[in-house]
Amino acid sequence: KQEVTQIPAALSVPEGENLVLNCSFTDSAIYNLQWFRQDPGKGLTSLLLIQSSQREQTSGRLNASLDKSSGRSTLYIAASQPGDSATYLCAVTPYSSASKIIFGSGTRLSIRP
Amino acid sequence: ETGVTQSPTHLIKTRGQQVTLRCSSQSGHNTVSWYQQALGQGPQFIFQYYREEENGRGNFPPRFSGLQFPNYSSELNVNALELDDSALYLCASSRGQGASGGGETQYFGPGTRLLVL
Repeated sequence: KQEVTQIPAALSVPEGENLVLNCSFTDSAIYNLQWFRQDPGKGLTSLLLIQSSQREQTSGRLNASLDKSSGRSTLYIAASQPGDSATYLCAVTPYSSASKIIFGSGTRLSIRP
Repeated sequence: ETGVTQSPTHLIKTRGQQVTLRCSSQSGHNTVSWYQQALGQGPQFIFQYYREEENGRGNFPPRFSGLQFPNYSSELNVNALELDDSALYLCASSRGQGASGGGETQYFGPGTRLLVL
């Protein structure tokens, strides 16, 4: 059974720092891995999608990596800003059931001005 | 291009009642998935519809049911509401069937927040 874990559950850093969010998954048989952002009480915004054949994806100050063999992904945020404060969710689409996405519980990120 | 929309935004019901939530998919998308997100948790997959047929279901009881219409909009129905059904319900749309579209990005709506008293 695929499980997705995100550590830490919460993180607070001062503005301007570079930071890394971690995600691990138990089964490497996945189509892709996605990172989402969720603002309080709101829906999800897809930030980056990494196909299983890819190693990383970049968008602006965000860079996500994927190591399927070790079941790990990281989301790197450069030069953090207060507007980056949100919950970041990692999710995988498994081969065993491609119709669904399995999410982690998220990391709640707070950037202090 | 219109994004995914959901209605209503908020809803309060009492235990034992029934509720219907609605979702309009993004233009050009024929697949809709529903998720339940409890407070402080990640979303949990309820089910997916592709071309009006159920195409995968998560670990939810039969009192959670759905429909997809010819215009690819969708409804989620929950009967005999329980206190634990209080959550944010998210709808997501994508192109292509889930089984072959595993690489497709799912676009999420803003959600419907349901409170069961």
